[in-house]
Amino acid sequence: KAGVTQTPRYLIKTRGQQVTLSCSPISGHRSVSWYQQTPGQGLQFLFEYFSETQRNKGNFPGRFSGRQFSNSRSEMNVSTLELGDSALYLCASSYGGTASYEQYFGPGTRLTVT
Amino acid sequence: AQSVTQPDIHITVSEGASLELRCNYSYGATPYLFWYVQSPGQGLQLLLKYFSGDTLVQGIKGFEAEFKRSQSSFNLRKPSVHWSDAAEYFCAVGDGNKLVFGAGTILRVKS
Repeated sequence: KAGVTQTPRYLIKTRGQQVTLSCSPISGHRSVSWYQQTPGQGLQFLFEYFSETQRNKGNFPGRFSGRQFSNSRSEMNVSTLELGDSALYLCASSYGGTASYEQYFGPGTRLTVT
Repeated sequence: AQSVTQPDIHITVSEGASLELRCNYSYGATPYLFWYVQSPGQGLQLLLKYFSGDTLVQGIKGFEAEFKRSQSSFNLRKPSVHWSDAAEYFCAVGDGNKLVFGAGTILRVKS
């Protein structure tokens, strides 16, 4: 079974631009979660989607948004990029349901904001 | 809020030596606990998980972890470390529909 895929793998953007990252979950998984990883803050939860609905959201500004499509693929968008948004963005998928703890991660998208 | 503490930022062990990485969690109910490993520039790979039942759980790559409720710990162990085990290891607890991660422990293996 194919794993979680994320595109693109690397991005370089300029401050003030916006960016969209994509995640395709493992086949049969209906929950997709997004995490931001930085050296200073570690791994932080952004949001989780299940059946096209956002079920949980972390403590990030409204510039960070996401969505999930009917095929469970997910995108996250960051508008008005700031230098501090430079990070590895990880997507994880799980079967979902009441608890979506057993999560499988993709390779991540490395975003650099200049 | 739930939290996870990994007291050791770096650990260095000799190849062939045993390994124990420490993890303490703060959670009100029975926790769902995980260990992940991350190689440089890569995503996280699930090593093992604890949901309930036997407190000693086996994972991939020869790793095991023991859940100790009295100590709020979930330490990761391996009897004999290989050079390919050098990576960063993260302990996590399930909280709602998300994972809360510790800060990670970087494992260095010396030959």
